[in-house]
Formats: sequence, C-alpha cells, structure tokens
Amino acid sequence: EIVLTQSPATLSLSPGERATLSCRASQSVSSYLAWYQQKPGQAPRLLIYDASNRATGIPARFSGSGSGTDFTLTISSLEPEDFAVYYCQQRSNWPPVFTFGPGTKVDIK
Amino acid sequence: QVQLVQSGAEVKKPGSSVKVSCKASGGTFSSYAISWVRQAPGQGLEWMGGIIPIFGTANYAQKFQGRVTITADESTSTAYMELSSLRSEDTAVYYCASLAIVKQQLVNWFDPWGQGTLVTVSS
Repeated sequence: EIVLTQSPATLSLSPGERATLSCRASQSVSSYLAWYQQKPGQAPRLLIYDASNRATGIPARFSGSGSGTDFTLTISSLEPEDFAVYYCQQRSNWPPVFTFGPGTKVDIK
Repeated sequence: QVQLVQSGAEVKKPGSSVKVSCKASGGTFSSYAISWVRQAPGQGLEWMGGIIPIFGTANYAQKFQGRVTITADESTSTAYMELSSLRSEDTAVYYCASLAIVKQQLVNWFDPWGQGTLVTVSS
C-alpha cells in the first residue's frame, strides 16, 4: 500500500504570505495526486487534481506541481479564508484503493 | 454536477450496526462511483471502500474487510454504507464522495462530497 507523508504538520503564516505544502509518496503515483482543503465542521473540498489541475471555481492563487513521489501545493498569497487543513490523496490503479496523507494545518501566525 | 445528501446523525451501542445513506441528485448516477471516507474526531481522512453502481461491485480497504458493506440502488440513486460490530473507535463523521466516470475510466479524485454523517458509538 502506498503511504503519503505530508510536511510540515503545521504551517504558521500571516495573511499575504506564501504557503508551500509538501506531499511525498512511498512509491511513484505518476501524476495521480489530488489536494483537498477542509475547514472545521465542513466536508473536504477538491482544490487540485492530477497533481496540477485546479478544480472548478478554485482561485488561481492555488497551484499544484510534482510527479512521481514528490508533490507541492502552493498558495501564492494567503487570504483569511485559506487557513484550514490540507490533505493530499492518491489512488492505486485497480482495484481502486485510495489513501490520504495525514494533513497539513495552515494557521494564522 | 451531482450533489450528495446523506442521512442524519446516529447514536449506536457497541456491537450493533449502522447504515448510512447517500442520495445523489442533479447528475446521472451511472456516471459516478461512490466512496465512503471517515474522519474520527480531530483526526485525518480514512478511505473505507467504494462502489461503481453500473458494475454493482464494491471494494474495501483492508482494514474494514468483513465489517463494512457498501451497496447502491440505481432506482433511487442512493448508495449505502453499513458498518457492523461497532466499537467506540468507530465514532466518526462518515462522508460519501463521488468519482466521475469519464470515457469509461474512473477519475482519481473525489468531487463532490456529501455533508457528512456523525455516527456516535456509546454504551
């Protein structure tokens, strides 16, 4: 089973700063990696799919990059509503089995 | 786009079972697969299993094999997740989430998600 590791566990930043979140897979997942944002009491929301594609309605300040085992989610300039927990997720080929990383919390410094 | 609406919160005794529903609307049920993901209090996301309704076949995370059953009723566009032999550690919010089937291929991401169903296991 592929294991996803996210770092850092917590990122303390101020509004307007750049956030760089990392997700590392224990073996190659090609570009089959997604990123989600979750706020307290809410369901996760898809941000990025297939490593670098923004989902519908996601602001351009969110970008994803990487392939193979190393991936990055970048928030170019943090808005107040961006303080949340971010998860990465991958899918194995067949049968489809999904795993999530442990999450990175982005909180206000 | 499809929208997913889940059944309400449940309180269950240890050793019992719970069945949570997830009704899809606004899309073609056969164009999606449905997965179930849970989140214990203060913890991360954990995939439990999923089903592709047009195939009728489900697959499960190894951790939940033998204890979870995922089914789908195409006539009502509703998916179900039943978890048996409940214990306190199963207290969590349970989410359904959809994966589109595009050109006969299952995509790799979940979108959208249901609103979540809190299941509390307590004696």
